[in-house]
Amino acid sequence: DTGVSQDPRHKITKRGQNVTFRCDPISEHNRLYWYRQTLGQGPEFLTYFQNEAQLEKSRLLSDRFSAERPKGSFSTLEIQRTEQGDSAMYLCASSLDPVMNTEAFFGQGTRLTVV
Amino acid sequence: DQQVKQNSPSLSVQEGRISILNCDYTNSMFDYFLWYKKYPAEGPTFLISISSIKDKNEDGRFTVFLNKSAKHLSLHIVPSQPGDSAVYFCAASEGNTPLVFGKGTRLSVIA
Repeated sequence: DTGVSQDPRHKITKRGQNVTFRCDPISEHNRLYWYRQTLGQGPEFLTYFQNEAQLEKSRLLSDRFSAERPKGSFSTLEIQRTEQGDSAMYLCASSLDPVMNTEAFFGQGTRLTVV
Repeated sequence: DQQVKQNSPSLSVQEGRISILNCDYTNSMFDYFLWYKKYPAEGPTFLISISSIKDKNEDGRFTVFLNKSAKHLSLHIVPSQPGDSAVYFCAASEGNTPLVFGKGTRLSVIA
């Protein structure tokens, strides 16, 4: 299967703990995106990379959030000192480096529950 | 400020009939529009897209219409099937910027 892969699928953590999620994009895709989705909302943009460069961060991404994409392959999203408001589905997507617009392909997401 | 709006949270349609899902946008610089389908506990799946230079794009049972002057697009599914029951998200981008999504419309196709 050459789709976008996310790990873990589910994570339950206590408030105040740190969590890290991993995303493996489609291998030939240069762009990688992180989105967050809460109940009743559409996916909300968090940040994205072109190869290893982080090009944009949403104002939704507080200082407790950090994302990396070393060597332009997989990416990690870390949340430090988790809060109950961080509970959401975290979605990763990838796309070809767009000279023209192309669709983004999503992984199955990581559902985070902060208790 | 919601740049992409899906004003109908839900829609019910009988099997075999047409489903029409609507989407409005406010950013006139958007030039690429997409529809995604999402089942529970899964990520969104790309369905169909349209560039702003076109007003219609068709793929099997799915057709997307774009009305730039009204800043409106719609997704037509005909004939609707029970397996089409899902949440449908409209998304848009400006140039090669990240996609902006609407809140989604839950489609229920009744057998």
